[in-house]
Amino acid sequence: AQRVTQPEKLLSVFKGAPVELKCNYSYSGSPELFWYVQYSRQRLQLLLRHISRESIKGFTADLNKGETSFHLKKPFAQEEDSAMYYCALLGSSNTGKLIFGQGTTLQVKP
Amino acid sequence: DVKVTQSSRYLVKRTGEKVFLECVQDMDHENMFWYRQDPGLGLRLIYFSYDVKMKEKGDIPEGYSVSREKKERFSLILESASTNQTSMYLCATQGAQQPQHFGDGTRLSIL
Repeated sequence: AQRVTQPEKLLSVFKGAPVELKCNYSYSGSPELFWYVQYSRQRLQLLLRHISRESIKGFTADLNKGETSFHLKKPFAQEEDSAMYYCALLGSSNTGKLIFGQGTTLQVKP
Repeated sequence: DVKVTQSSRYLVKRTGEKVFLECVQDMDHENMFWYRQDPGLGLRLIYFSYDVKMKEKGDIPEGYSVSREKKERFSLILESASTNQTSMYLCATQGAQQPQHFGDGTRLSIL
């Protein structure tokens, strides 16, 4: 079965601390994975996708096929990073369906 | 820039009413999606459409239907609203080989 698991509902860190938002997936083929972010009162927006291998707003995510993980990391959290983060997996059909995790709220304290 | 417009940010309806949520996109994208977003459950796919008049059920289609008469517009219909359909509803659109782009969402309350 195709599934995305984000084990933490809430992650609370202090400003300047490292951040790691966990994401594990279940998928039989070559996965295509995304991180989406939703800031307070804003629309859900794409943060990064693994095929781009880029860093956005200081965040990176590496696909680890052995551990079936796609954790989101940032070395020094900022208060403006506080938001809801969703990990998503592109399903096996060619319809563009995404399978979302449950979401993790990141709270960065001053 | 992709623009996905949902007709209402907030909507309050009564149990048993027929409710229409509208979504319009301006990018000529084939694929459009309706999700509901609930705390602790993430985003769950209700229905999606990959072409005009084409639709497929998502993971939680019960109590909902959709309409796609024109490429730019995808409507979600609650045939007879119930309190357990109180939620945030998100529309998304997607072009070929592109990530999904979301609207602002409609927060629907059923009283």
